Amino acid sequence: GDSVTQMEGPVTLSEEAFLTINCTYTATGYPSLFWYVQYPGEGLQLLLKATKADDKGSNKGFEATYRKETTSFHLEKGSVQVSDSAVYFCALSEMNRDDKIIFGKGTRLHILP
Amino acid sequence: NAGVMQNPRHLVRRRGQEARLRCSPMKGHSHVYWYRQLPEEGLKFMVYLQKENIIDESGMPKERFSAEFPKEGPSILRIQQVVRGDSAAYFCASSHRDGNRETQYFGPGTRLLVL
Repeated sequence: GDSVTQMEGPVTLSEEAFLTINCTYTATGYPSLFWYVQYPGEGLQLLLKATKADDKGSNKGFEATYRKETTSFHLEKGSVQVSDSAVYFCALSEMNRDDKIIFGKGTRLHILP
Repeated sequence: NAGVMQNPRHLVRRRGQEARLRCSPMKGHSHVYWYRQLPEEGLKFMVYLQKENIIDESGMPKERFSAEFPKEGPSILRIQQVVRGDSAAYFCASSHRDGNRETQYFGPGTRLLVL
């Protein structure tokens, strides 16, 4: 079945460092890909998404490009801030009858001042 | 426009009791999804409902768990005779079909603790 694999955390970086969180997927069809962020004690917020190959999703300085050839959707940010500390989930959804989202296990990110 | 509302935010139950979790979707949304997040894990799909219909319950345990989304009122996830393993965060998401693509908007979750 469909699945999402993302790098394990925690990831600890200093403020203004470059961030990459790797994510790869397996899917039978042509899924949409997402990154969600979960701040402590809160629900999930959609950070960015891409719906077809070579699309780039971007938001709040974060970017991810849908790479069909490598089945990847790595999250990047050029200069992280302390406020980016959260858990990041890579996810996919096959846009069929159900549209349920399949999540990776999440990567906890700590940014040190 | 209020987001997805869930209540209660925290729920404590003793083994054998019932837990009722409520979800009010965003205004205009007619699709509701329930997910469960175990500690240090990602979210796992449980059930997908439209008004008065269960569309996909493939992720929901066959026993003790049920879900509904009535014509009026919130969606309810009901867990009967709770056990310690039911302790988790339960998230509801809602969506509104936009062409062929949907975006699911998540509520803040209900954190269930079974003693």
